[in-house]
Amino acid sequence: AQSVSQHNHHVILSEAASLELGCNYSYGGTVNLFWYVQYPGQHLQLLLKYFSGDPLVKGIKGFEAEFIKSKFSFNLRKPSVQWSDTAEYFCAVNANNQGGKLIFGQGTELSVKP
Amino acid sequence: DTGVSQDPRHKITKRGQNVTFRCDPISEHNRLYWYRQTLGQGPEFLTYFQNEAQLEKSRLLSDRFSAERPKGSFSTLEIQRTEQGDSAMYLCASSLVTQANMNTEAFFGQGTRLTVV
Repeated sequence: AQSVSQHNHHVILSEAASLELGCNYSYGGTVNLFWYVQYPGQHLQLLLKYFSGDPLVKGIKGFEAEFIKSKFSFNLRKPSVQWSDTAEYFCAVNANNQGGKLIFGQGTELSVKP
Repeated sequence: DTGVSQDPRHKITKRGQNVTFRCDPISEHNRLYWYRQTLGQGPEFLTYFQNEAQLEKSRLLSDRFSAERPKGSFSTLEIQRTEQGDSAMYLCASSLVTQANMNTEAFFGQGTRLTVV
């Protein structure tokens, strides 16, 4: 069965620090990869997605992620976080033949200190 | 607001009661998904529809759960004889999938938070 693992449950950073959130998935076939963000009290929003092509994808708000197929990873990065990045971040995968359903990781809560 | 909308936002019910939630997807989106999210976990897939056809149901969807999308637009999720373990956030998402574009993103609603007391 497919699964997604996010390495960190809670990350605390100071403003301007660099961020990297780990995400690994288990599935042997072709996948689509996503990072969603949930700000306090708000709905899940798409940060970025990878379907094919350049494995380094750029999303909104200065976030980027790199798909490394050999490592089954899709880590999220941001060079300099802001207080407004405080949120919960979810990595998700869907397989091309799975009807679009998403398998989510357990989430990483990011707290940025001003 | 033309996003995915869910109603109600919060529901408190007594154990054993039935509850029904509604989801209105983004207009013209042909796929509609239901997920459940408990505290400290990511959303878990429950079921999805392509237009009015329910194409997949998770093992998480016990026989007390039923979902419908009768006209291929809004959807309802009903839970019969609620149990405390049903307490969770129920999320709805929609997407538009076509032959020309099979890979698309899903847009989520704000969810319905169910508390069973």
